[in-house]
Amino acid sequence: AQTVTQSQPEMSVQEAETVTLSCTYDTSESDYYLFWYKQPPSRQMILVIRQEAYKQQNATENRFSVNFQKAAKSFSLKISDSQLGDAAMYFCAYRNPGANSKLTFGKGITLSVRP
Amino acid sequence: DGGITQSPKYLFRKEGQNVTLSCEQNLNHDAMYWYRQDPGQGLRLIYYSQIVNDFQKGDIAEGYSVSREKKESFPLTVTSAQKNPTAFYLCASSPRLLAGGPGSTGELFFGEGSRLTVL
Repeated sequence: AQTVTQSQPEMSVQEAETVTLSCTYDTSESDYYLFWYKQPPSRQMILVIRQEAYKQQNATENRFSVNFQKAAKSFSLKISDSQLGDAAMYFCAYRNPGANSKLTFGKGITLSVRP
Repeated sequence: DGGITQSPKYLFRKEGQNVTLSCEQNLNHDAMYWYRQDPGQGLRLIYYSQIVNDFQKGDIAEGYSVSREKKESFPLTVTSAQKNPTAFYLCASSPRLLAGGPGSTGELFFGEGSRLTVL
C-alpha cells in the first residue's frame, strides 16, 4: 500500500520569506499523481499544486513550486514571498492512476506566518 | 455554481444513535469519497464509490455505512458501532480516473465538511 509521510508537524516562517514543506512517499508504481492541498481555518480543502510523475519538470503555480525527486520519492513544496494568508495546514497526497484509485494523505503540517 | 454540498455543518449525537451525513455534488463526477479528519491523523478514507450502485471500503470503514443510489449523492451513516465517532468528516468527488485516459487531472474536489460531536 502507498504511504505518505510528512515528518514535520509544525513550521513557522517570517512574512515575505521562503519556506519549504517536506513530503516523502512510498510506492512501487512508476506513474502516479502527487498533490499539495491547503486547509485554512475555514477547513475548506484547497488544491495548491499537482505533479504528474511522468513529467520531469517541477510544477509551479505563482508563489508555489515543488521539488519533485522521483528516485528519492520526495515531493517538497516551496512557498516564496510568504503571506499571512498562507497560514494553514498543508497536506501532501498521492494517487495512483486507474479507475479505482484513491487519494492517500499525509498527516499534514501546520504552517504559521509571523508578521 | 457547481460544487459539493455537505449537511449539516454541525451535528450532535447521543451515544447509541445512528446519524446520516449528506453529500451532494452537481459537478457530474462519477467518483465520490468520504474522509475522516482527526487532529494529528491527517485525512483517512472511510468509503469511496466510482459508479452508481457500487462502493468500496476504505481504510477505516468499520462502524460506517454508505449508499450510492444516485450519481450526485453519497450519504454516510455513522452507526452506533463506531467506537469514537467525534470527528470532522469531509466528502469529495472527482471524475473517474482512467489510466492513460484524457480529462481527469487526478485531483479531488472537497465539500466544506461536517463536524460530528457525540455527547
